[in-house]
Amino acid sequence: DGGITQSPKYLFRKEGQNVTLSCEQNLNHDAMYWYRQDPGQGLRLIYYSQIVNDFQKGDIAEGYSVSREKKESFPLTVTSAQKNPTAFYLCASSIDGLGEQYFGPGTRLTVT
Amino acid sequence: EDQVTQSPEALRLQEGESSSLNCSYTVSGLRGLFWYRQDPGKGPEFLFTLYSAGEEKEKERLKATLTKKESFLHITAPKPEDSATYLCAVGNQGGKLIFGQGTELSVKP
Repeated sequence: DGGITQSPKYLFRKEGQNVTLSCEQNLNHDAMYWYRQDPGQGLRLIYYSQIVNDFQKGDIAEGYSVSREKKESFPLTVTSAQKNPTAFYLCASSIDGLGEQYFGPGTRLTVT
Repeated sequence: EDQVTQSPEALRLQEGESSSLNCSYTVSGLRGLFWYRQDPGKGPEFLFTLYSAGEEKEKERLKATLTKKESFLHITAPKPEDSATYLCAVGNQGGKLIFGQGTELSVKP
């Protein structure tokens, strides 16, 4: 089955701790994306990568970091510098970075 | 500035009561308009891509249309299982998707 997987589904952390969210795809897509979704707001782009070993900041990159060492994987680290990290995080991929994006099931992060 | 506005924010329908959701957009160089369905606690599910004014796409009870300024998602004779949040997004020249805030649809039996 081709698709995008995110793990874990729920994640709890204490303030001051860094945490890494996993995103894997077996669709052979070149581009991958990380979004954040908060109640009452649209999806906001954190980081994206059009090709392996390259990535760009999105609209709200502060306090986050990513890597793209393999085509299939695009992990997101939420650092202690992120002021309001509690949110629903969504990973997506697209064939060539121009067309529709396909989303994973999401990770709900709660930081207390 | 690229922008997407969806209306209404919430819509309550009776089963079988047809209606439409609106997505208005401004974008520098449209590279597709995308509709998604999102169920609570889940990732968005891709529905349609529209590329040019006048284009229409259909899937079961859903039909999406596109003009130069807006898109409509028409829902014909909806069922309770159509209840979800429907998201609209436009692709811009930079290859990013700009999302609206969504319309929360509730269909009562």
